[in-house]
Amino acid sequence: NAGVTQTPKFQVLKTGQSMTLQCAQDMNHNSMYWYRQDPGMGLRLIYYSASEGTTDKGEVPNGYNVSRLNKREFSLRLESAAPSQTSVYFCASSEAWTSSYEQYFGPGTRLTVT
Amino acid sequence: GEDVEQSLFLSVREGDSSVINCTYTDSSSTYLYWYKQEPGAGLQLLTYIFSNMDMKQDQRLTVLLNKKDKHLSLRIADTQTGDSAIYFCAERRGSGNTPLVFGKGTRLSVIA
Repeated sequence: NAGVTQTPKFQVLKTGQSMTLQCAQDMNHNSMYWYRQDPGMGLRLIYYSASEGTTDKGEVPNGYNVSRLNKREFSLRLESAAPSQTSVYFCASSEAWTSSYEQYFGPGTRLTVT
Repeated sequence: GEDVEQSLFLSVREGDSSVINCTYTDSSSTYLYWYKQEPGAGLQLLTYIFSNMDMKQDQRLTVLLNKKDKHLSLRIADTQTGDSAIYFCAERRGSGNTPLVFGKGTRLSVIA
């Protein structure tokens, strides 16, 4: 049981390049989330998917798109990377039938845009 | 929306107690959480408290909830160097499986 996995772990992009961050969970959770973490800013929600087939914007969605490919996988795409998107990206999942609705986090993707 | 507030830094001596404070925003929040992030890692749930509780104890951890003041605290007894990390307070606003709202995190440094 791997929990939440993210690929890649590290990535360096040039301004204007595109890439997709991958996330998968094996806990049969319905809800999945993408956050970014910047120094002194805590975690900010980019997009989330309450269930397969639905996605919603979070606090900072501009410059990103998401795809809930199936129940397991939720990807985050940067179409034209900008230096302001240099950050650590975390994927998480959760399920309403757990006692605490806790979110389980992946190990993160460290992205640098030059 | 309004922010979940935490102080950014706390430094304690090994063996002392640490108290990390948080002010949350939504009086209807049903669950409040404390997550721990070690360097280079993701977030791990430390503990949580349901809004109808005032206190929860789990080994060295004690969570206190003051709903009137919307204040949450995490006390770590006998703090060890392995407790050095960033601690995030988070609230679940409203009902249902909604996204968590996180504070900016408190960096705890434990001095040997």
